[in-house]
Amino acid sequence: DAGVTQSPTHLIKTRGQHVTLRCSPISGHKSVSWYQQVLGQGPQFIFQYYEKEERGRGNFPDRFSARQFPNYSSELNVNALLLGDSALYLCASSPGLGVGTGELFFGEGSRLTVL
Amino acid sequence: AQKITQTQPGMFVQEKEAVTLDCTYDTSDQSYGLFWYKQPSSGEMIFLIYQGSYDEQNATEGRYSLNFQKARKSANLVISASQLGDSAMYFCAMREGRAGGFKTIFGAGTRLFVKA
Repeated sequence: DAGVTQSPTHLIKTRGQHVTLRCSPISGHKSVSWYQQVLGQGPQFIFQYYEKEERGRGNFPDRFSARQFPNYSSELNVNALLLGDSALYLCASSPGLGVGTGELFFGEGSRLTVL
Repeated sequence: AQKITQTQPGMFVQEKEAVTLDCTYDTSDQSYGLFWYKQPSSGEMIFLIYQGSYDEQNATEGRYSLNFQKARKSANLVISASQLGDSAMYFCAMREGRAGGFKTIFGAGTRLFVKA
């Protein structure tokens, strides 16, 4: 079975541009979460979606937005890119939303460099 | 306030010895889950072990065990018989309960170095 897939794997943008990152969860998983991981730090929670609805949002500016589609895939959009947005963006999926639904399954990430 | 605290930025351990990575957490939920993940230099996040807040026994998975002390709100990872391949970043994470929206949050991590 395919794991969580993310695209693109690497991308370079300049300040002020916009970026869209994509994520396909494991088949049957209805929850998708996005994380930003700056080099040397832990993943920071950005968004959580479940059944196409936003169910959680971390402490990120409105330049960050996301959505989940009927097939449970998801997009993360970042507008007006800043140098500080350079990071590894991780997508994770899980079957459901509750405490006992098991671990998050992560994709390999999209490494964004903003010049 | 930080909800997951890992106080050891870096740890060294001799090959074949055991090592404990510390993690404390803070939550007002009665139901929550605790996880440990490993992140090698390749960047992938590898799930290691899970402990539910209502589990009475400490979780074990092969060489990994989770020392869960609920009253102290600690969930330390113990790796027995360390191997060179254990060198990586290790993250403690908590899935919050209903009050926290069931989101999973991570600590800052501990970098483990295994010496030959």
